Amino acid sequence: SAVISQKPSRDICQRGTSLTIQCQVDSQVTMMFWYRQQPGQSLTLIATANQGSEATYESGFVIDKFPISRPNLTFSTLTVSNMSPEDSSIYLCSVAPSENTEAFFGQGTRLTVV
Amino acid sequence: KQEVTQIPAALSVPEGENLVLNCSFTDSAIYNLQWFRQDPGKGLTSLLLIQSSQREQTSGRLNASLDKSSGRSTLYIAASQPGDSATYLCAVKGSGYSTLTFGKGTMLLVSP
Repeated sequence: SAVISQKPSRDICQRGTSLTIQCQVDSQVTMMFWYRQQPGQSLTLIATANQGSEATYESGFVIDKFPISRPNLTFSTLTVSNMSPEDSSIYLCSVAPSENTEAFFGQGTRLTVV
Repeated sequence: KQEVTQIPAALSVPEGENLVLNCSFTDSAIYNLQWFRQDPGKGLTSLLLIQSSQREQTSGRLNASLDKSSGRSTLYIAASQPGDSATYLCAVKGSGYSTLTFGKGTMLLVSP
């Protein structure tokens, strides 16, 4: 199993500002995943973060808006840049220690942009 | 493109009832299927993982089945309790290290 610590758990931010979300895993993992869950919706993958390389972004998400860092095998950050009210969502990080094991999620960051 | 559908979208039952949540997926070439629980405004808690070669998995009062050929999974909750109130999400994983595709969830309310 994997235990994920995600910070902050929630924040209220002014439009036009940026927020960085941190995700710390208690074991080394190859890939970390960042998801967004808009109100009333299911999870949508933002990007996959590999250590030592650029993150891979899904359609509709760009690096300028959601820059990701992956400095080592246990840590990643997601920044939500130049925020607007449409960015109000829950952001979650996830890991799957190997291909055929279950995926684990952090506690989520509930972001409200005003 | 994989699509995952969960029925019903919401369910309200009295305490003690047995209930079934349904999940269907369009592409049967999956690697595994996972059921999660999400409390309001929180992250996801993994409940059960079923590999593509398995038919079911059990954990306590929970039993999940998988019929890969028909693209269906069910989550059975026995003797429901108010603490089971949450949104239940089904997610499927394709082959390799691909990511999960989620359904929209079933919001369950168990009343005392």
